[in-house]
Amino acid sequence: DQQVKQNSPSLSVQEGRISILNCDYTNSMFDYFLWYKKYPAEGPTFLISISSIKDKNEDGRFTVFLNKSAKHLSLHIVPSQPGDSAVYFCAASARQVNNNDMRFGAGTRLTVKP
Amino acid sequence: SQTIHQWPATLVQPVGSPLSLECTVEGTSNPNLYWYRQAAGRGLQLLFYSVGIGQISSEVPQNLSASRPQDRQFILSSKKLLLSDSGFYLCAWLAFTGELFFGEGSRLTVL
Repeated sequence: DQQVKQNSPSLSVQEGRISILNCDYTNSMFDYFLWYKKYPAEGPTFLISISSIKDKNEDGRFTVFLNKSAKHLSLHIVPSQPGDSAVYFCAASARQVNNNDMRFGAGTRLTVKP
Repeated sequence: SQTIHQWPATLVQPVGSPLSLECTVEGTSNPNLYWYRQAAGRGLQLLFYSVGIGQISSEVPQNLSASRPQDRQFILSSKKLLLSDSGFYLCAWLAFTGELFFGEGSRLTVL
């Protein structure tokens, strides 16, 4: 079962504009959410995370928003740069219940055009 | 600082042949270790995780197996590969802060 869903397989934006990547989850026990960035033939790299006690976390150009009632989170990249072009994975875990299990979405391929 | 390495980076194997992918972590002790697979056009599927030597939990029934012979070593194996085993395999360790850190990945092509 897909507990973490990224319904947009791809997204294309112009350099300098905002990129918004979306993620939905079904398991109400998830309390920690992460975004990873992946280049081809490389392992994913951790980007930013948010705990369920927060609704926003910001790190430079990257901001993650969490809407617990809607079971939805999003990653905002402002301004977008060509080097941001990659596949972005949303992930979630239920740390209070089982610290060993992290579930990933299918990924969204972001293309930032110069 | 902690580092994670996995090898080989690329592998082409015939159907029915065995498989062994290795992963080692440096700079930490008793880490939780994971094997994920990324199939073409799909997300990251959790295959196995281990909380300690000899302790393996399997997420999906399949012809793959995992072993943890040493604290910082995690091995993914198969006795007979299937075509459907092709994919990009990723080893990861869990930091105490809750983030997974991944190795470089191993591309397996079964022909």
